[in-house]
Amino acid sequence: QVQLVESGGGVVQPGRSLTLSCAASGFTFRNFAMQWVRQVPGKGLEWLTLIYYDGSIEYYADSVKGRFTISRDNSKNMLYLQMDSLTVADTAVYYCARGAGPMIVPQDYWGQGTLVTVSS
Amino acid sequence: EIVMTQSPVTLSVSPGEGATLTCGASQSVTKNLAWYQQKPGQAPKLLLYGVSTRATGIPARFSGSGSETNFTLTISSLQSEDFAVYYCQHYNTWSLAFGGGTKVEIK
Repeated sequence: QVQLVESGGGVVQPGRSLTLSCAASGFTFRNFAMQWVRQVPGKGLEWLTLIYYDGSIEYYADSVKGRFTISRDNSKNMLYLQMDSLTVADTAVYYCARGAGPMIVPQDYWGQGTLVTVSS
Repeated sequence: EIVMTQSPVTLSVSPGEGATLTCGASQSVTKNLAWYQQKPGQAPKLLLYGVSTRATGIPARFSGSGSETNFTLTISSLQSEDFAVYYCQHYNTWSLAFGGGTKVEIK
């Protein structure tokens, strides 16, 4: 069965960096686009970034463009999110999600999320 | 950037009744529209994509309609497990924006 397990969340000071990881299993990782979505506790969903199945194309929401970087390692079935220049507004649960196909598609499987708290 | 707007924010419904949720896009997303369900403490779950195609395992009481800028999610007869927050999302362009969500609560 498809499994997505995020890790790397925690408490970080404003201005610092953090890298999230997502371990994928139960499907052929290299065939699917992957995405990150976040949710401030008690609020709605915010799409952040998508990477094509082969890593050739990346897209970012304006709110994180230039600060966050998505990447993948198809040999290890891993997805990453490098987050730089973090602010209090980046505090949220971060979900890793599989795209329903190789490119721009909705998310058909989600991890359980990892909480990132930006606080001094 | 396309903005997605959902209404109402909260919908109070009695079990067994139907519910209609709406989603609007600031510009056409053709039929590249998905709906998700999220229960407290859980990750979202894909319900529908391509406006009206049910995802794997989604019961037939969930249906979708619409095109271009106006979309509807209909739940024909609410079961106890359907009380949740519902989000629409377009994937017509690279910015896959979500709507703000509709909370369906027990009346």
